[in-house]
Amino acid sequence: GIQVEQSPPDLILQEGANSTLRCNFSDSVNNLQWFHQNPWGQLINLFYIPSGTKQNGRLSATTVATERYSLLYISSSQTTDSGVYFCAVEDRNTGNQFYFGTGTSLTVIP
Amino acid sequence: DTEVTQTPKHLVMGMTNKKSLKCEQHMGHRAMYWYKQKAKKPPELMFVYSYEKLSINESVPSRFSPECPNSSLLNLHLHALQPEDSALYLCASSQDRRGTSSTDTQYFGPGTRLTVL
Repeated sequence: GIQVEQSPPDLILQEGANSTLRCNFSDSVNNLQWFHQNPWGQLINLFYIPSGTKQNGRLSATTVATERYSLLYISSSQTTDSGVYFCAVEDRNTGNQFYFGTGTSLTVIP
Repeated sequence: DTEVTQTPKHLVMGMTNKKSLKCEQHMGHRAMYWYKQKAKKPPELMFVYSYEKLSINESVPSRFSPECPNSSLLNLHLHALQPEDSALYLCASSQDRRGTSSTDTQYFGPGTRLTVL
């Protein structure tokens, strides 16, 4: 299956700081999503971004499919941004087969 | 409505019990998924249903038995589980662009926290 690595694994930020999370994947993909998992386990959709750039408020994401990576930018971080961020990719060869990255655990301190 | 519901929220069962997890969506999605997530690990795909037919089984032990009775419902039947099966079980759904090997945004339910004693 596709290997998906995220970096950094852990990140501690002061409230108001900016950050960049990275997702590298090993093969061609149909689909890439970014999720935020809250402390209760709910996976919240952030972006569906197989290629290009999208922005939603303080968050933005860029995927360069030809170079097999995606970036998630968080600006002016807030304590509510704390949690684990996952990227997930869909195998282009099989379809419907999703692989999650290793995750980045973010803690924003006031 | 982009909601996927799962019941129960929590489940404690013994190794000889039989129980079922339930997942429901009303977004008209034709692909539905079961994932297992252990603490501090990413979700791992278990099963995929496409148009109510099992399309992917990621070599899951037979003590887990999925069922898709209709396009809105997905069940996971549990029997003779082991303590190491304790985990968060997540259901998801998405559009399934049949014939294109491509799907769309996955939406996840809140999960069922399973403890096997």
